[in-house]
Amino acid sequence: KAGVTQTPRYLIKTRGQQVTLSCSPISGHRSVSWYQQTPGQGLQFLFEYFSETQRNKGNFPGRFSGRQFSNSRSEMNVSTLELGDSALYLCASSLGGGPTDTQYFGPGTRLTVL
Amino acid sequence: GQNIDQPTEMTATEGAIVQINCTYQTSGFNGLFWYQQHAGEAPTFLSYNVLDGLEEKGRFSSFLSRSKGYSYLLLKELQMKDSASYLCAVNYGGSQGNLIFGKGTKLSVKP
Repeated sequence: KAGVTQTPRYLIKTRGQQVTLSCSPISGHRSVSWYQQTPGQGLQFLFEYFSETQRNKGNFPGRFSGRQFSNSRSEMNVSTLELGDSALYLCASSLGGGPTDTQYFGPGTRLTVL
Repeated sequence: GQNIDQPTEMTATEGAIVQINCTYQTSGFNGLFWYQQHAGEAPTFLSYNVLDGLEEKGRFSSFLSRSKGYSYLLLKELQMKDSASYLCAVNYGGSQGNLIFGKGTKLSVKP
């Protein structure tokens, strides 16, 4: 079974631009969660999607948004990029997103904002 | 907030045993996960505890005490490839959206 894939793997943008990241979950997984990872803050939850609906949202500004498609693929968008948005963005998929479900992470997208 | 605390860094010798501790706030606890993350790679699942006690899986074991808000990951017969960050994550109920991660413990295994 193929793992979680994320595209692109690396991205360089400038302040004020916007960016869209893509995540394809493991086949059969319906829950996709997004995280931001930085050296100072560690892994921080952005949002979770299940069956095309945002089910949970972390404590990030409205510039961070996402969506999920009917095939469970998900995208996240960051508008008006700031220097502090430079981070590794990870997505993780699980079967149903329940509390005991194991999340499987993709390799991440390394975003650098100049 | 729901802080997850773990040591920032640890060093151990190849072949030895190391214990990585994790403490968390107990209110709303609904399960604890350990993940391993090698530099530049995605986190990979190691273990899940929801009941008190020890879960053993090969060279790795994970322990949980719900009343104390405490868990540890025990790595035996350390190998160089075990050099990685180890992330403790607690589910505070509901779906994956309530999974809170610690900042990770960077383990360095020396020959």
